[in-house]
Amino acid sequence: GAVVSQHPSRVICKSGTSVKIECRSLDFQATTMFWYRQFPKQSLMLMATSNEGSKATYEQGVEKDKFLINHASLTLSTLTVTSAHPEDSSFYICSAIPWTGEETQYFGPGTRLLVL
Amino acid sequence: QQPVQSPQAVILREGEDAVINCSSSKALYSVHWYRQKHGEAPVFLMILLKGGEQKGHEKISASFNEKKQQSSLYLTASQLSYSGTYFCGARNYGQNFVFGPGTRLSVLP
Repeated sequence: GAVVSQHPSRVICKSGTSVKIECRSLDFQATTMFWYRQFPKQSLMLMATSNEGSKATYEQGVEKDKFLINHASLTLSTLTVTSAHPEDSSFYICSAIPWTGEETQYFGPGTRLLVL
Repeated sequence: QQPVQSPQAVILREGEDAVINCSSSKALYSVHWYRQKHGEAPVFLMILLKGGEQKGHEKISASFNEKKQQSSLYLTASQLSYSGTYFCGARNYGQNFVFGPGTRLSVLP
């Protein structure tokens, strides 16, 4: 149980285009989902906290107009990287906390974004 | 505030033991441990909530000190599959979840 999926797993796009990444909790409902980005050989950096039915909370330094987050349902959150630039290339990982309040996070497999 | 992890990296022979530490200057609400293999997402290992708590199984276990400012992860009789980067994640009271910088563990045959 507690499986989180991400789609796509890998995406290559041209500079200036927008990319949408989906995060789904497959066998549980998640009131809270997190979006992280990770650069090579570095730790995970929290970008934003996504709560179902409300606006996402962004970490300091993360542009909310560039990284649009929509938590449309208890099982789906999406991250849209708008007008992507090469510096946005990274490994994006989502995680979800079960609605039961279980104090843990279940991670998706990650999405590798390359902006040319 | 990012927790501090030590060591940064460790190389072991199969069957040897290792200890990875995670510390904070302030008391933590909880500590999580994750392992991440290259190119993959982190995998949850365990969570500690109470001061003085110890949990896990005989091969991989962790402790949380009484003041809830330090946690240690113990890897006993390491196996090749234990290789990866170990992150502690800490939640401070009233603050967001923050990952430590990671400890790179390499187990050699």
